[in-house]
Amino acid sequence: EDQVTQSPEALRLQEGESSSLNCSYTVSGLRGLFWYRQDPGKGPEFLFTLYSAGEEKEKERLKATLTKKESFLHITAPKPEDSATYLCAVPSRAGAGSYQLTFGKGTKLSVIP
Amino acid sequence: NAGVTQTPKFQVLKTGQSMTLQCAQDMNHNSMYWYRQDPGMGLRLIYYSASEGTTDKGEVPNGYNVSRLNKREFSLRLESAAPSQTSVYFCASNTDPKRDGYTFGSGTRLTVV
Repeated sequence: EDQVTQSPEALRLQEGESSSLNCSYTVSGLRGLFWYRQDPGKGPEFLFTLYSAGEEKEKERLKATLTKKESFLHITAPKPEDSATYLCAVPSRAGAGSYQLTFGKGTKLSVIP
Repeated sequence: NAGVTQTPKFQVLKTGQSMTLQCAQDMNHNSMYWYRQDPGMGLRLIYYSASEGTTDKGEVPNGYNVSRLNKREFSLRLESAAPSQTSVYFCASNTDPKRDGYTFGSGTRLTVV
């Protein structure tokens, strides 16, 4: 059974204090790893897809990296508007030829001014 | 560009009542999904539809039924609501489940009393 574990569960940072979120996974054949951002009261919003170990993607203050066992979401000089819950997910086989995303429980990031 | 539209946004039911959550997407996506999100549990798949005319159970299907009405619409029905079904429900869609991230709706917050 595919599993996704995120750590820490919650993270408080001062504005400008860089850090990383971790997503470790156990899958039978990685088909990609997805990062989402979720604001309170809203649906998850897609950020990145990583397909192979060594791949990196950036968006503003966020950079996602991927190894064979885990992914990191690096946040450089965060601002209060980066406060959100960050989710990672992997495609898992759901049936004959079907796949669905298995999500981690998320990391709740709070950036304090 | 509406994306994924869910109705209603909020609902309060009494135990034993029934209701249908509606979901429609305008992106010509093949696959559609229903997830529930509970504190500490993350996002869990209830049912999915890999393509028009097909539906399959996910991780937590008990107490729910679904209908893929056409390519655009995927509804979730609670026949006899129970307090354990109090949750936030998200509908999502994508084109290629193996490679594409989901587009999520904004959610339905359901309380069963």
